[in-house]
Amino acid sequence: EVQLVDSGGGLVHPGESLRLSCVASGFTFSTYWMTWVRQAPGKGLEWVATINEDGSQKKYVDSVKGRFTISRDNAKNSLYLQMDSLRAEDTALYYCATRAGAPADWGQGILVTVSS
Amino acid sequence: DIQMTQSPSSLSASVGDRVTITCRASQGINNYLAWFQQKPGKAPKSLIYATSTLQRGVPSKFSGSGSGTEFTLTITNLQPDDFATYYCQQYNNYPRTFGQGTRVEIK
Repeated sequence: EVQLVDSGGGLVHPGESLRLSCVASGFTFSTYWMTWVRQAPGKGLEWVATINEDGSQKKYVDSVKGRFTISRDNAKNSLYLQMDSLRAEDTALYYCATRAGAPADWGQGILVTVSS
Repeated sequence: DIQMTQSPSSLSASVGDRVTITCRASQGINNYLAWFQQKPGKAPKSLIYATSTLQRGVPSKFSGSGSGTEFTLTITNLQPDDFATYYCQQYNNYPRTFGQGTRVEIK
């Protein structure tokens, strides 16, 4: 059974940093593209970033380019999202998900709150 | 960016009903269209990819169709467990984009 466990969220001030983690199990992590999707409170889903199997290709939504970095450690079956220069509008539930196209499996989500 | 527009934004239906949700793309997406179901406080659940292919474990009461820029999700024999918000998403281009969601409520 595919499991994705997200962690690392919390409350931070504008301009601060946070790193999200997603530990995967139940599938061969190193052969999957992986994705982060977020959802602001009461809002819809927004694709954030995607990374290929070996980390050599990364894609980002414009609003996070230059501030967020997606990465992975295949030895640890882990996906990361380093979030720097956080803004209030980054406040959201962040989900990791399998695949680059149509996400098939989703983590439980981790809340990031950016507030002064 | 490709804009995805769902209609209606919400609908009320009764148990046993058949409902259809439409998703329109601002340009052609080569049938790279997915559908998701989300219940309050829960992570999204993947239903359909490539316009009409059911994800593993998804019952056949869900079906998808369409081509070009217009796509539909149909749910037959609506049950209490189906009342949720449904999202479409295109994955033909980056950035991936979602529709705004359609809330299916109990009449």
